[in-house]
Amino acid sequence: DVKVTQSSRYLVKRTGEKVFLECVQDMDHENMFWYRQDPGLGLRLIYFSYDVKMKEKGDIPEGYSVSREKKERFSLILESASTNQTSMYLCASSPQQVPGGQFFGPGTRLTVL
Amino acid sequence: QQQVKQSPQSLIVQKGGISIINCAYENTAFDYFPWYQQFPGKGPALLIAIRPDVSEKKEGRFTISFNKSAKQFSLHIMDSQPGDSATYFCAASRATGNQFYFGTGTSLTVIP
Repeated sequence: DVKVTQSSRYLVKRTGEKVFLECVQDMDHENMFWYRQDPGLGLRLIYFSYDVKMKEKGDIPEGYSVSREKKERFSLILESASTNQTSMYLCASSPQQVPGGQFFGPGTRLTVL
Repeated sequence: QQQVKQSPQSLIVQKGGISIINCAYENTAFDYFPWYQQFPGKGPALLIAIRPDVSEKKEGRFTISFNKSAKQFSLHIMDSQPGDSATYFCAASRATGNQFYFGTGTSLTVIP
């Protein structure tokens, strides 16, 4: 069964802390994505990566960075967490050639106090 | 701006009824239109998808209707069941790109 896993389901951090969210996929997909999900706003793309060490900004990259050192792993970094970054964070992956939809992880509910 | 507009925001349907969720897009370069279903505490899961070369796609009780000239597509859930209660997202993407654009979601509640 194909899978996208995220390191934590729930996370509570303090303002100013550095936060790492990890995502791993076992489908050998080239593309990986980080979204945040907020009520009424749907899914908003933060960053995506189409290859190892490659990254592209999405719609809301401010305050975030990413790292992709291995094909199966894509990390989202909040350099200095702020309360407005409290949200549900979703990781997804998809194959490169055929647009066959994205496979999502279960999400990480991040609360910044 | 929102690349894909979705309505309604919430929907309540009686068991056995038809649930209809609508989406509209502007970019004519989009050529892949998936729908995702998300249950509370879970990530979205691909439900059904359509390419613009067909006007309708059916999988079980779920049907996508696609109107290329109007740049609209919709999800129909026939014989809606309480187990269908979830949030539904439409999306659009280009074959040449890797970005997916999502609607804002519809919270569906099917009452027994």
